[in-house]
Parts: sequence; structure tokens; C-alpha cells
Amino acid sequence: SAVISQKPSRDICQRGTSLTIQCQVDSQVTMMFWYRQQPGQSLTLIATANQGSEATYESGFVIDKFPISRPNLTFSTLTVSNMSPEDSSIYLCSGAQATDTQYFGPGTRLTVL
Amino acid sequence: QKEVEQDPGPLSVPEGAIVSLNCTYSNSAFQYFMWYRQYSRKGPELLMYTYSSGNKEDGRFTAQVDKSSKYISLFIRDSQPSDSATYLCPHDKIIFGKGTRLHILP
Repeated sequence: SAVISQKPSRDICQRGTSLTIQCQVDSQVTMMFWYRQQPGQSLTLIATANQGSEATYESGFVIDKFPISRPNLTFSTLTVSNMSPEDSSIYLCSGAQATDTQYFGPGTRLTVL
Repeated sequence: QKEVEQDPGPLSVPEGAIVSLNCTYSNSAFQYFMWYRQYSRKGPELLMYTYSSGNKEDGRFTAQVDKSSKYISLFIRDSQPSDSATYLCPHDKIIFGKGTRLHILP
């Protein structure tokens, strides 16, 4: 298994600003993912964070809006850029090891005013 | 992205009852099947993981896979109020639906 932490746990931001969310895994994982979840809604996959290369984005998500870094096998960041109230959500990162079972972080609750 | 076919609930059952949660999937090539549990305001946690068909038991939980009908089930015996959560079965390992909300009534 893997234990995943995220920082910050929550934040309230102003429209037009950017927020960077950090994700730390306590062991090396093959893959890392970023999700968004609106209250009562499903997890929506934003992108796969690739170590040492550009992230792979899902349809509807672009690098300019959600730049992602993954400098090594245990750490990744997601930036939510030029925020609007529609970006208010819970952002979750996850890590998957060889069996592809994912372990999730506790999430970052973002409110954009 | 295809959504997972799950009854969203909420499903309310009395404490001590047997709970049956179900998912259907479309791609017969899938080999790995998982159930996650998500408490309110928490990230999902891996509950059960199975490979291919058959049953897997872990304490009060049993995961069942029927590949011929593309149907997976999670059974919870002697349900407890602490089992109240949303249960998710991801499609293709990383695509999640809304899950099934379960309420265990004391």
C-alpha cells in the first residue's frame, strides 16, 4: 500500500489567481493521477502525471489551465490557473503501484470567490 | 470516458443486514476489478481487489466477479453504521462513476 498526503487540505482563493496543490507519496509509485470531484458527483480524471515528461490530459482539461509536474516517483503538483468560481471543487491525487490499484490522498478542498 | 453503471442509491438498510452492491461494465477485456469506499469529505480508499472471475473474501466483505455477464458485486455481511459511505467500482481501473451511497440504519 501507499500513504498519500496533500497540501493544502483546503484553501479559499480569489478569482484570477492560481493555486498549486502538492501530492507526496510515502513510497515510489508507477503512476500518479489527478482527479476533481464536485460534491455528490463522480471523480473526474484530469490527467496522468508522468515522471520526467509532460502529463497526459483527459478530454476537457488542458495544460495551460492545469499545469502538472512530477519530478520524481513520489511527488507531483497540480496548479489550478486563473481560477474562477467554477473551479471550486475537491482535487484529489492518487498513486498506483505495479498492480494498478490506486491509493488516494485526502483531497484539497478549493473554494474560489 | 464511459461511466460505470451503478445504482446511485441512496440504499438504506438496517444494521446487521446483508448488503449487496452491484456494477456492470462493458469491456470484456478487463481483468482487474476493484471496490473503493469513500466517506464524506474523504478520499476514496481501496476496499477490495480481485483479478478475473470468482469470489474474494475479506472479513465481512465479499467481492464477486461474473465475467460472462460483466457483472461485479460487493456483499457486506453484518452491516454496521460505520459501513455508511459511497462505494465505487472503477471502470478500466481509473474511471469512476458516482458510486452507490449506502446508509446503515442503527
